[in-house]
Amino acid sequence: QQQVKQSPQSLIVQKGGISIINCAYENTAFDYFPWYQQFPGKGPALLIAIRPDVSEKKEGRFTISFNKSAKQFSLHIMDSQPGDSATYFCAARATWGDDKIIFGKGTRLHILP
Amino acid sequence: GAVVSQHPSWVICKSGTSVKIECRSLDFQATTMFWYRQFPKQSLMLMATSNEGSKATYEQGVEKDKFLINHASLTLSTLTVTSAHPEDSSFYICSARGQGGNYGYTFGSGTRLTVV
Repeated sequence: QQQVKQSPQSLIVQKGGISIINCAYENTAFDYFPWYQQFPGKGPALLIAIRPDVSEKKEGRFTISFNKSAKQFSLHIMDSQPGDSATYFCAARATWGDDKIIFGKGTRLHILP
Repeated sequence: GAVVSQHPSWVICKSGTSVKIECRSLDFQATTMFWYRQFPKQSLMLMATSNEGSKATYEQGVEKDKFLINHASLTLSTLTVTSAHPEDSSFYICSARGQGGNYGYTFGSGTRLTVV
């Protein structure tokens, strides 16, 4: 199973609120889980990433929570700002082949001013 | 930080012609480069993986004769869309991974291809 399942497809949050995006995977051969932020017409940019031996990682307003037994991980954006409005992709690195990055389907986040 | 330059940022070409997209790692050597395709409001779909000096590995369903990939040096990979058709219109994005076994995948800014 190469899929990374992401939800919700779109999300609207009030300014100052918490944005939560969830992802799940099946294959235990993934060993690195990055989150990317993409603005229209631009390539994705790495936001934050975690390895499966860590349950949580925080960088500024962004936190990844990782549940290895459930094969789930999530992104929390605290104090969401209008500038956070973008598409967010969770991803996973496959340890087979050439260590390719496989993307979830994305979440379009809109922060209301 | 690591920078990947992708050129051109957008291109319009006539149906039946070929288009070349370049992906350069500016401040690091990229042992592996990945090429993705993204349709509007969709995710990035991996097309192929290329290692310097060897043939690219294509994902299932990607026509290798249509999407030619060359990774001739540690800093440059090119994607050539041959005999382009309107259905090839898409956003193409490259990603480069450096040496040393780190998890540094850096993405280019993408190329918007429109075939008319």
